[in-house]
Amino acid sequence: EVQLLESGGGLAQPGGSLRLSCAASGFIFSDEAMSWVRQAPGKGLEWVSVIRGDSPDTFYSDSVNGRFTISRDNSKNTLYLEMDSLRADDTAVYYCARGFRWIDYWGQGTLVTVSS
Amino acid sequence: QSALTQPPSTSGSPGQSVTISCTGSSSDVGTYDYVSWYQQHPGKPPKLMIYEVSKRPPGVPDRFSGSKSGNTASLTVSGLQAEDEADYYCSSYGGRNNLVFGTGTKVTVL
Repeated sequence: EVQLLESGGGLAQPGGSLRLSCAASGFIFSDEAMSWVRQAPGKGLEWVSVIRGDSPDTFYSDSVNGRFTISRDNSKNTLYLEMDSLRADDTAVYYCARGFRWIDYWGQGTLVTVSS
Repeated sequence: QSALTQPPSTSGSPGQSVTISCTGSSSDVGTYDYVSWYQQHPGKPPKLMIYEVSKRPPGVPDRFSGSKSGNTASLTVSGLQAEDEADYYCSSYGGRNNLVFGTGTKVTVL
């Protein structure tokens, strides 16, 4: 059974940093592209970033490019999202997700709140 | 890249059909057959219902079907059931390693 478990969410100050983690199980992690998708309270889904399965290629939405860094440790089956220079409009539930062109599995999400 | 356009809401009685549109551009929906649809119940993560325009993952009822014409994709839910009441989002590969989601549609079962 595929499982994706996010952690690391919480309260951060504007301009601050936060690191999200996603522990994956139930599939060959290194074979799959992994994405982060976020959803602001009461709003729609927004794709944030993707990292290829077996290469260092990473891509970002314009809204986070230069501030967020996606990475993975295939030996630990773990996906990360390093978030710097956080802004109020980064407040959202962040989902760890398997895939890119379509996403077939989603985690339960972790809430990030940016506020002073 | 701009979000794909969906109607904010639609509704139908049990047993009826509803169709949700998803309008993009020649940069995304019109060029790529990587349109997918997701169902999201309140407080839950999204669930993949359709991928590559019209393919259903295992376990998704055949009451759910997808299609595309030009820059507009559509999701049809036939034989509407109470558990189909949810938010639905489309998404499309937008080229240049970018994924774009739709604005979302709330489906109400009357």
